[in-house]
Amino acid sequence: QKEVEQNSGPLSVPEGAIASLNCTYSDRGSQSFFWYRQYSGKSPELIMFIYSNGDKEDGRFTAQLNKASQYVSLLIRDSQPSDSATYLCAVQPDNYGQNFVFGPGTRLSVLP
Amino acid sequence: KAGVTQTPRYLIKTRGQQVTLSCSPISGHRSVSWYQQTPGQGLQFLFEYFSETQRNKGNFPGRFSGRQFSNSRSEMNVSTLELGDSALYLCASSWGRRETQYFGPGTRLLVL
Repeated sequence: QKEVEQNSGPLSVPEGAIASLNCTYSDRGSQSFFWYRQYSGKSPELIMFIYSNGDKEDGRFTAQLNKASQYVSLLIRDSQPSDSATYLCAVQPDNYGQNFVFGPGTRLSVLP
Repeated sequence: KAGVTQTPRYLIKTRGQQVTLSCSPISGHRSVSWYQQTPGQGLQFLFEYFSETQRNKGNFPGRFSGRQFSNSRSEMNVSTLELGDSALYLCASSWGRRETQYFGPGTRLLVL
């Protein structure tokens, strides 16, 4: 059973701080990794994806991937109250026949 | 380009009834995946359709079924509704089977 784990939180950070969200996965052959943001009562929206080891930056967001450690993270710089949401990590398993596996999500609260 | 659309957005049914939910993917997207989201279980994969064929199926009972039409629109059906079927049902579309998934707004189903 392929698993994706996240700390459920809530993770509370002050406005302007860096929020660090972590995700580990069990399928060592996984190739693609995605971060989604979900506001309460809404559907998940894609923030970014990463395929290669290292960092990928998009505005205030940076995704970090370490395949050897089976670890992917999302950093949010200059956190804003509007970033308060649940962040879902999704992993595309190596098995072509398998769909995305989602983690349980981390609830982030940015305090003004 | 229009996003993923789902209808209806809200639905109230009683136990024993059946329900059909509809999903129209982003234009050009051929893969449609369905998920069930509940507070206790998180995002659970139901099934994936690609080119009118079910390619992958999650661990749900046979009461949950779906289909995809030649224009990539998809429907899912739940028969003999149970109270535990109350959830947010999300549809996600992607260009190909292992590509980034984009979610629709969801259908919130309440079973009384």
